[in-house]
Amino acid sequence: GAVVSQHPSWVICKSGTSVKIECRSLDFQATTMFWYRQFPKQSLMLMATSNEGSKATYEQGVEKDKFLINHASLTLSTLTVTSAHPEDSSFYICSARSPGLYEQYFGPGTRLTVT
Amino acid sequence: AQSVTQPDIHITVSEGASLELRCNYSYGATPYLFWYVQSPGQGLQLLLKYFSGDTLVQGIKGFEAEFKRSQSSFNLRKPSVHWSDAAEYFCAVGAKDSSYKLIFGSGTRLLVRP
Repeated sequence: GAVVSQHPSWVICKSGTSVKIECRSLDFQATTMFWYRQFPKQSLMLMATSNEGSKATYEQGVEKDKFLINHASLTLSTLTVTSAHPEDSSFYICSARSPGLYEQYFGPGTRLTVT
Repeated sequence: AQSVTQPDIHITVSEGASLELRCNYSYGATPYLFWYVQSPGQGLQLLLKYFSGDTLVQGIKGFEAEFKRSQSSFNLRKPSVHWSDAAEYFCAVGAKDSSYKLIFGSGTRLLVRP
């Protein structure tokens, strides 16, 4: 149980284009989903928290107009990187939390490369 | 401010040897504490968690961790390491509020010698 998937697992896009990453909770309903960014050999940095049906809450320093988060249903959240630039290249990881539980369950991550 | 410190960037142990990964936290009260493992191509997997009660918690894959309030530590241990344990290990602190946010340490990469 508690499986979270991400799609795509790897994406390459050209500078200036937008890319959408999907995060799905496969066998539970996720009240809250989180988006993280992980640089090589570094820890996870929380970017934003999204609650179903509400606007996402972004961490300080994260550009909300660049990283658009939508949590339209209890099993799906999307992260759209708009007007991507090479510095946005990174490993993006989502996690989901089900109602009544504290712990987060993580997706396998999406490697974004902007050329 | 909350923070998590994992002082060891890399640790190398021989297969069959015991393991201890260190984690220290800074928080105003006793936080929720977690250990996650990250293997290449896989998502972070929860090894164990501490919310309250018995300070020695058992997790999956033979791991255990001990919460020591006086030392603000939550070290991860395993009595006998297997080659498949080679991975990145993250300690995390969870705020006791409605945000459910986790703050992660910088991680410790475990290498296992055959």
